Amino acid sequence: DIQLTQSPSTLSASVGDRVTITCRASQSISGWLAWYQQKPAKAPRLLIYMASTLHTGVPSRFSGSGSGTEFTLVISSLQPDDFATYFCQEYNTYSVFGQGTKVEIK
Amino acid sequence: EVQLLESGGGWVQPGGSLRLSCTASGFTFSNYAMSWVRQAPGEGLMWVSGITASGASTYYADSVKGRFTMSRDKSKNLMYLQMNSLRGNDTAVYFCAKQRSSGLRGFFDYWGQGIQVTVSP
Repeated sequence: DIQLTQSPSTLSASVGDRVTITCRASQSISGWLAWYQQKPAKAPRLLIYMASTLHTGVPSRFSGSGSGTEFTLVISSLQPDDFATYFCQEYNTYSVFGQGTKVEIK
Repeated sequence: EVQLLESGGGWVQPGGSLRLSCTASGFTFSNYAMSWVRQAPGEGLMWVSGITASGASTYYADSVKGRFTMSRDKSKNLMYLQMNSLRGNDTAVYFCAKQRSSGLRGFFDYWGQGIQVTVSP
């Protein structure tokens, strides 16, 4: 089974910071990777699919890159609404999620 | 506007059963695969079950195989998860999720708000 490892698990940042989250797959998943944002007691929200394609309505400060086994999610200038937990998901085989990265206020 | 609304959750004793429902609207239900994803307290996300657009194929995580059954009613835009022989570690918020694809392999572009399932004595 494919495993996804996100790093860091927790990230402390300030409004305006550039934030980078990494997702590593245990084997190649080509570009079959999505990113989600989840706020407490809310459903996850799709941000990016196919590693780098922004979902409808997602602000352009979010971007994704990578292929194979290493992927990144970048928030170019962190906004107050962005403090949340972020999950990656592979769909090369069946769906597996990373363990999540919590972005908290510094 | 795509909307997914779960119902049927609640508290049940170990060994009991529950049936979750998901009512879909705002898209052509019969064109897309659908899934259930759960999140245990303080934990991450786990894909529990999926069903293809046609309903011909289903997927179950190993931890629920043989106990959970997923189905869909295209005439009513409804999806179900029948959960039997429930265990304490099935306690979680269960999300109904729409997939962008018709097949089981895909990402989840819309989610319901989630429904709590609690299994305890």
